[in-house]
Amino acid sequence: DAGITQSPRHKVTETGTPVTLRCHQTENHRYMYWYRQDPGHGLRLIHYSYGVKDTDKGEVSDGYSVSRSKTEDFLLTLESATSSQTSVYFCAISEGRTDFYYEQYFGPGTRLTVT
Amino acid sequence: TQLLEQSPQFLSIQEGENLTVYCNSSSVFSSLQWYRQEPGEGPVLLVTVVTGGEVKKLKRLTFQFGDARKDSSLHITAAQPGDTGLYLCAGEEAGGSYIPTFGRGTSLIVHP
Repeated sequence: DAGITQSPRHKVTETGTPVTLRCHQTENHRYMYWYRQDPGHGLRLIHYSYGVKDTDKGEVSDGYSVSRSKTEDFLLTLESATSSQTSVYFCAISEGRTDFYYEQYFGPGTRLTVT
Repeated sequence: TQLLEQSPQFLSIQEGENLTVYCNSSSVFSSLQWYRQEPGEGPVLLVTVVTGGEVKKLKRLTFQFGDARKDSSLHITAAQPGDTGLYLCAGEEAGGSYIPTFGRGTSLIVHP
């Protein structure tokens, strides 16, 4: 199994509070991704990183920011949590373009509830 | 519009039955991955298909990539309760951003 951990695994927070989720990898992979998974929507990309300090937006980036100061850590921050951000958040890693494809390895997920 | 359409959305079958799930697009893909996700866990990579017409087998699972690289299928022979889960396809559009896009998945339940 790829060495990916996410913390916390579960969190309940109130509307308007800031929240930071952490993803940590031990594989030294270049790419890291944050997804959210909701019923009826599948996995949707929030932000991704292609190197230290190199990040870009995904399809649902509004209300989220990310930072990557070290290869192994990718942080997702909800500046002011809203109920619509209640979801399961997955971190994924990838070596990058290898023989014409990207294969991703996922963490165990963080279940976030915003009340 | 979803770039990758998966069908069926839900499938409930008895142990021992065969099944096929589909992943279709109007776009050409450089490669396509299949993942299985069990409740409460992250998706786990099963296979990558790259070449048009390619067939890969993983025990009772057979994966096929369409000749035009626009579609893929997953066939399970003699399904077992342990096959229960959400099956996701993902791929990178040829000439696209190199960021994989995911289908919404097929939820499979295999009853003993």
